[in-house]
Amino acid sequence: EAAVTQSPRNKVAVTGGKVTLSCNQTNNHNNMYWYRQDTGHGLRLIHYSYGAGSTEKGDIPDGYKASRPSQENFSLILELATPSQTSVYFCASGGGTGILDSDYTFGSGTRLLVI
Amino acid sequence: AQKVIQVWSTTSRQEGEKLTLDCSYKTSQVLYHLFWYKHLLSGEMVLLIRQMPSTIAIERSGRYSVVFQKSRKSISLVISTLQPDDSGKYFCALWERRNNNNRIFFGDGTQLVVKP
Repeated sequence: EAAVTQSPRNKVAVTGGKVTLSCNQTNNHNNMYWYRQDTGHGLRLIHYSYGAGSTEKGDIPDGYKASRPSQENFSLILELATPSQTSVYFCASGGGTGILDSDYTFGSGTRLLVI
Repeated sequence: AQKVIQVWSTTSRQEGEKLTLDCSYKTSQVLYHLFWYKHLLSGEMVLLIRQMPSTIAIERSGRYSVVFQKSRKSISLVISTLQPDDSGKYFCALWERRNNNNRIFFGDGTQLVVKP
């Protein structure tokens, strides 16, 4: 079954440390996305990608980098983690064809705590 | 300006009741879709409904339906005969097709608690 898998599921990081969140999809979707979800907010777009080698800034990119080394993998990188980046992070893939081009598949989320 | 607005942040109901969750949206795009998702405690984001403005809603389950008012830019999720398992966070979302730069925007979500 096609899926989006995130790792790790939970992460505790130290302020100033580097954090890498990984995402793998087997949907063969061109587009991949990283969101964060905080209480009182919907999912907010951090970075996205249209395919291997591409990354684009979303609505709240500051403090984050992204990497798309292959069709299947999309990473979110926090070079210098801060407590304000404590959140739940979702990866999604999307972009089938025709009627399915609005189909999104979400990962189960990564809970990040920065102390 | 927020593109998807869900008025209620939290609500609670009794088992067996019917619930309507309201959502309004803003778009100037010709091609767009609307969604209702449920965020489970497990972390999974489950697609409940996809509404395309020109077609009939695709229902995820017989207990979920939508009231779609295109002229008012409103789409409400209706859950009939609530069950405790319906508890969770519900997100309304707007997907816009924009010249290969497709985007999806989420409302802030409504947390639902269903009491037995």
